[in-house]
Amino acid sequence: SQQGEEDPQALSIQEGENATMNCSYKTSINNLQWYRQNSGRGLVHLILIRSNEREKHSGRLRVTLDTSKKSSSLLITASRAADTASYFCATAPSYNQGGKLIFGQGTELSVKP
Amino acid sequence: DAGVIQSPRHEVTEMGQEVTLRCKPISGHDYLFWYRQTMMRGLELLIYFNNNVPIDDSGMPEDRFSAKMPNASFSTLKIQPSEPRDSAVYFCASNDRGRGYEQYFGPGTRLTVT
Repeated sequence: SQQGEEDPQALSIQEGENATMNCSYKTSINNLQWYRQNSGRGLVHLILIRSNEREKHSGRLRVTLDTSKKSSSLLITASRAADTASYFCATAPSYNQGGKLIFGQGTELSVKP
Repeated sequence: DAGVIQSPRHEVTEMGQEVTLRCKPISGHDYLFWYRQTMMRGLELLIYFNNNVPIDDSGMPEDRFSAKMPNASFSTLKIQPSEPRDSAVYFCASNDRGRGYEQYFGPGTRLTVT
């Protein structure tokens, strides 16, 4: 079963606006990661946040994690047309000490110039 | 580094034929993962290896699917016999757990079974 559920499934915004995507999960985690997938390509790692962290920044990306609510959000500020892609959250379950990740269904972001 | 390499990039085959997908992980990575992506089911983990040993194959859909990793630089995913419902994009990914679970994905193999 899917660990992560993402919201919204699709998001369309204008260039320069901020984009926010949310992810909810079910079990305890070691960390949560966000990936981007451009059409027809493999997934690319964006950012990782550990279970003992609440917020993390990387360039125009801001990720928050609320372990009490089992949820995370990804904020992309000042979006660009090149940010158009699908975004996936992935969780590393606490029960699994290997590198296994469980991916959500993704949010399809469209940034219009 | 060249990244994760997958071949072929596209495969079209007829139902009943054997299909073999190949993956070369990033040198030094000790975990290798096979995923399948479809519109209906999203991204599913099929199987993963650690140090060439299969750790969890609970995602392999049927006995028609098998995966091997004969050495640290090569893995195969085989479907025999193939069926139209196997049509999907198959991704291979690798990582080095010591670097914190970030996975590096290959470009994928788009499989079409007619």
